[in-house]
Amino acid sequence: SQELEQSPQSLIVQEGKNLTINCTSSKTLYGLYWYKQKYGEGLIFLMMLQKGGEEKSHEKITAKLDEKKQQSSLHITASQPSHAGIYLCGAVVNSGNTPLVFGKGTRLSVIA
Amino acid sequence: SAVISQKPSRDICQRGTSLTIQCQVDSQVTMMFWYRQQPGQSLTLIATANQGSEATYESGFVIDKFPISRPNLTFSTLTVSNMSPEDSSIYLCSVSRGEAFFGQGTRLTVV
Repeated sequence: SQELEQSPQSLIVQEGKNLTINCTSSKTLYGLYWYKQKYGEGLIFLMMLQKGGEEKSHEKITAKLDEKKQQSSLHITASQPSHAGIYLCGAVVNSGNTPLVFGKGTRLSVIA
Repeated sequence: SAVISQKPSRDICQRGTSLTIQCQVDSQVTMMFWYRQQPGQSLTLIATANQGSEATYESGFVIDKFPISRPNLTFSTLTVSNMSPEDSSIYLCSVSRGEAFFGQGTRLTVV
């Protein structure tokens, strides 16, 4: 079965610092989603990556999918308190209408 | 794209009671997915709901505890039956139309 390893489990960074969260799959991915979640709330869609080597950016967040489509990273530049939350990666395993398999999440805290 | 309306957004329920969560999609979809997110945990798939057939449940989830209805191609309900505090979670519905879309989630607290 598909497994996603997400690291680190938690991260505390000082405001203004950069950080990276990784998501590694045991199998080649059809696609990879990144979500953000505030405690106790629903998912906020960040980005979806499908092509090997693809990179997308939105404001200060950049996500990349490696050429082999087994590893993705989420990079936040100059972190702000508004970036705090739980970041989840979700994998698409094939091209059909299948559910996502999620990593365990990374809890990010940004301190002043 | 797809817009999913999920309700209730949150509820506090007494143990032993049941809660039905509704998801309405703005377009027809073949499959709808129900997830559970326990406190501090990631999302776990409960079941896949197909219109016109019984839902397919993942290991560890049973129909008696989480009955699902799928009366048409735009609507589904998940019931959490005979609740206990361990059922306190966020429940989310999702559809896939080329990409995944999620409802806003239902935050359930069982007391």
